[in-house]
Amino acid sequence: ETGVTQTPRHLVMGMTNKKSLKCEQHLGHNAMYWYKQSAKKPLELMFVYNFKEQTENNSVPSRFSPECPNSSHLFLHLHTLQPEDSALYLCASSPKSGLASETQYFGPGTRLLVL
Amino acid sequence: RKEVEQDPGPFNVPEGATVAFNCTYSNSASQSFFWYRQDCRKEPKLLMSVYSSGNEDGRFTAQLNRASQYISLLIRDSKLSDSATYLCVVGFNKFYFGSGTKLNVKP
Repeated sequence: ETGVTQTPRHLVMGMTNKKSLKCEQHLGHNAMYWYKQSAKKPLELMFVYNFKEQTENNSVPSRFSPECPNSSHLFLHLHTLQPEDSALYLCASSPKSGLASETQYFGPGTRLLVL
Repeated sequence: RKEVEQDPGPFNVPEGATVAFNCTYSNSASQSFFWYRQDCRKEPKLLMSVYSSGNEDGRFTAQLNRASQYISLLIRDSKLSDSATYLCVVGFNKFYFGSGTKLNVKP
């Protein structure tokens, strides 16, 4: 266990549904991330939060809406998704303010299928 | 041009073999380098950081060549349990991940 948990682990949703992914880290970290991993593609950074503030939005469509109520919790709200959004969504955290010199700790991911 | 490039493999090797992967990166100002391991349908986990002087952890050796802008991972005495996808990660202002190199270690 890396100290980062994600729920649900698997999710199937229709294009008109609204759902939320949850991430929680028990490591005392201050930076949290959402990544998308599609088959045979590199991890794509979606959002970065430092001390609850969003510091990066990597041109993510508005049908993905992140929320970070505190440094330990991160949500990804989903609505009107497309089938091509089907992927593994990974949450990660790192100790400080998202510096690219730190180790990231990943959660187990949510495997999402959009029908 | 991709920020980070890796040979996708798969590398199929027998137990006990030595295998090496390279990863090239495009930004010469990159500051940090890592190898992560990802098992099938699991999350990436840090294998080792890569330091300028190179570093070794048991059967694993990582090296950085800034002049040629690549990092390498050498695995000696391969085990069946080494079978996984190895992700190269390079940090500049954020992290850039390679697509991974798949390793299959066979009995």
